[in-house]
Amino acid sequence: AQRVTQPEKLLSVFKGAPVELKCNYSYSGSPELFWYVQYSRQRLQLLLRHISRESIKGFTADLNKGETSFHLKKPFAQEEDSAMYYCALMKTGANNLFFGTGTRLTVIP
Amino acid sequence: EPEVTQTPSHQVTQMGQEVILRCVPISNHLYFYWYRQILGQKVEFLVSFYNNEISEKSEIFDDQFSVERPDGSNFTLKIRSTKLEDSAMYFCASCPGHNQPQHFGDGTRLSIL
Repeated sequence: AQRVTQPEKLLSVFKGAPVELKCNYSYSGSPELFWYVQYSRQRLQLLLRHISRESIKGFTADLNKGETSFHLKKPFAQEEDSAMYYCALMKTGANNLFFGTGTRLTVIP
Repeated sequence: EPEVTQTPSHQVTQMGQEVILRCVPISNHLYFYWYRQILGQKVEFLVSFYNNEISEKSEIFDDQFSVERPDGSNFTLKIRSTKLEDSAMYFCASCPGHNQPQHFGDGTRLSIL
């Protein structure tokens, strides 16, 4: 069975500090990993996915198959980054997402 | 930019009653989904729908649940006889093709009394 673990429910960092939101997964196949973000009073929206290897809003995430991790990183946090972040996994051949419990990031001015 | 829309934003229903949650996916999308999030818990997959039939469903999606695409635009989730534990935020999502990013609606908060 697949599982997505986000060990931190809450994370606070100061503006300008680096931020890392942790995500570990367990799945026997080759998953596709995503980060979704939910800003206050807004809908869930895709932040990035590992196959596109993009940097969105300064965030990056590298899939580490050895450590089964997909941590989200940003070198300099901004106040507008404060939001709920969800890591999600899609199984090979499937089309539905399995979410982690989410991490609420607060960037302190 | 086109969006997934969900109505109502909040639904309050007596236990045992039927409830229908409505979604209008993005118009050229082919895959449709329902997820739910019980307060304080993770977002959980319920069901996916493609080509006018259910393509996948989770253990949560039992006989009390059904989905329908009654016309070319709406995608509905029906809960036949609601239970207290059905209280949750229900999210609809759609995507244009297999393995494409899913676009979520704002959700419907369902409260069962």
